[in-house]
This record gives sequence, structure tokens and C-alpha cells, in this order.
Amino acid sequence: AQSVTQLGSHVSVSEGALVLLRCNYSSSVPPYLFWYVQYPNQGLQLLLKYTSAATLVKGINGFEAEFKKSETSFHLTKPSAHMSDAAEYFCAVSDMSGAQKLVFGQGTRLTINP
Amino acid sequence: NAGVTQTPKFQVLKTGQSMTLQCAQDMNHNSMYWYRQDPGMGLRLIYYSASEGTTDKGEVPNGYNVSRLNKREFSLRLESAAPSQTSVYFCASTLRREGVQFFGPGTRLTVL
Repeated sequence: AQSVTQLGSHVSVSEGALVLLRCNYSSSVPPYLFWYVQYPNQGLQLLLKYTSAATLVKGINGFEAEFKKSETSFHLTKPSAHMSDAAEYFCAVSDMSGAQKLVFGQGTRLTINP
Repeated sequence: NAGVTQTPKFQVLKTGQSMTLQCAQDMNHNSMYWYRQDPGMGLRLIYYSASEGTTDKGEVPNGYNVSRLNKREFSLRLESAAPSQTSVYFCASTLRREGVQFFGPGTRLTVL
């Protein structure tokens, strides 16, 4: 069965600093992987997805993630944090079944310090 | 397009009361899902409907029932609410080809 582990429930960075949010997955088949963002009191919004094409995936708002099969990782990065990036971020893996169910990590809350 | 809509946005129930959460999508998606979100636990799948006319249990189905009314609508029912069901509930849908799920704004439910 698929599973996702996000290292660090809270991450705090200064405005302008590098953002690195970690995600490791477990999957018995080549996975589809996703990062979602949740702003306060809102639903989840897709940041980016990996579906077995390029291993470096670019998403919205300057975020990108690199799929590393050897490390079973899909870490999310942004070179320079902005105050508007403060939110909760979720990594998810598809179970690749016909129903395309997603298994989510526990989430990482990102705080940006001025 | 409204995307995925959910009603109500907020609800307070007493233990033992029942209620139905409504979800609708206007994107002609095949599959729909109900999740609950609790602090530190991410989103957990309650029930899903892979296509119109089918429903299946997810990770945490106890205490819930669902109905896929038609291709657009997927409702979640709590027959006898318990404090452990206090949570934020999200509905989502997907075309399935690429697996990207689109989420509604959520329903914040408190059971006293």
C-alpha cells in the first residue's frame, strides 16, 4: 500500500530565504505524486504534479519539486520565500487504482518571518 | 464554472443528531471523494465513488454513509453524530485520467 511521510510538521523561514519541504513516499509501482497547498480556511489547491514525465516539475507561484526514485523522495522547493507563501502544504501519492485515490501526508505548516 | 461546491460551510450538532453534507461538481468528473481533515493527520478518505452508481469505503468509513445521487452530486450522511466526528470535511472530484483532484471549500462540523 502507498504511504507518504512529510518530515517536519512546522517549517519557518525568513522572507527571501530558500523554502524546502520534505516528502518521502512508499509505492509498489511507479507513482503519481502531487503537492497541494491550503491557505487558511480554504480548500486544497494543486501546486504541481509528477506523472512519470520530467523528474523536475515546475508548479505555480515559483514552486518546483524533484522526483528522485533512488531516494523515494519528492521534495518541494522555492528559491525565495514570500509572505504570501504562508500556508499548509500536503504531499500526496495516487494509489494508481481505477478510482485514483490519493494518500496524503500529515502536512507541513510553513511560516514566513519578515 | 463553480468547480466543487459544498453546503453547509459550518454546522454545529448535538451528539446523536443526524445531518447530510452536500457536494456538487460541474466539471463532468467521473469520480468523487469525501475526506476528513484533523490536525496533524492530513486528509483521510472516508468514502469514494469511482463512477456514477458505485460507492466504496475508504480509510475511515465508520459512522458515515454516502449517496452518489447522479454524476454531479455526492452526499455524506452522519446518522448519529459523535464528538469524534468533529472535523473539517472536504469533497473532491477528478476525471481520473491524470488523477488530479479538485477540492471544495470544506464544511467545518462541530459535534457537542
